[in-house]
Amino acid sequence: QQQVKQSPQSLIVQKGGISIINCAYENTAFDYFPWYQQFPGKGPALLIAIRPDVSEKKEGRFTISFNKSAKQFSLHIMDSQPGDSATYFCAASRNAGNMLTFGGGTRLMVKP
Amino acid sequence: DVKVTQSSRYLVKRTGEKVFLECVQDMDHENMFWYRQDPGLGLRLIYFSYDVKMKEKGDIPEGYSVSREKKERFSLILESASTNQTSMYLCASSAWKNTEAFFGQGTRLTVV
Repeated sequence: QQQVKQSPQSLIVQKGGISIINCAYENTAFDYFPWYQQFPGKGPALLIAIRPDVSEKKEGRFTISFNKSAKQFSLHIMDSQPGDSATYFCAASRNAGNMLTFGGGTRLMVKP
Repeated sequence: DVKVTQSSRYLVKRTGEKVFLECVQDMDHENMFWYRQDPGLGLRLIYFSYDVKMKEKGDIPEGYSVSREKKERFSLILESASTNQTSMYLCASSAWKNTEAFFGQGTRLTVV
C-alpha cells in the first residue's frame, strides 16, 4: 500500500515547455514534502521541499504547489531543458523528515 | 560536501548466499537509512538507524538485517539471498532533525 501516489510514471516534454508531476498522500500527519531528482547512475538529490503552512514555493524554474485540503502536491518545471531529463520522486514525512515515504517516481524526458 | 559511499556499484550473488552491503558517510550524521529502489515502486525503506547500535524497521524489513557498530558505517545484510531481492539498494544519511537526506550512488544487486 503506497502512502504517496505519484503520476505520471513517465513524461515527455518539448524544450521550453512546462513539466508537471503530481503526488497525492493519505497520512494527514505528514508535515514535510520534498522532491528528489535522480540522474542515471546517481543517487537521488534534494531538489526543493515545502511544508504545509504555505501553498507554493518557488526556486528558480522549479515550483511546488501544495493543496492541504485535497492532500495533493505537485512539481512544476518551467522552461524545461534537456538537462532536466531525470527521474523525479516526491516524498513525505513526519517529524522533520527523519523517515521519508517516497512516491513511485516519474521519468522525465525533455526533447530538444 | 557530504559524501555517502557505498562499497560496491554492482554485485552478483547466488541464491542462498549471505550478502553484505556497506555504507559509509563522512558528515557525522546521526541518521542512516537503507532503501530499495524498484521501477514503479519508488524507494522503499528497509531499515533506519538514528544512533550507533540503534535500528528501526522500515516498510519492507523481511529478509534483511542491519548493523551499525560505528556512527559513520551502516551495513545491510541479506541473510540468505533470494532472486526477489534483485534490486538497486540505496544508502542515505541525514543529521538529526534535519530534513535533507543525502544518498549514495547505489548498489545494483543481482541474485541468480
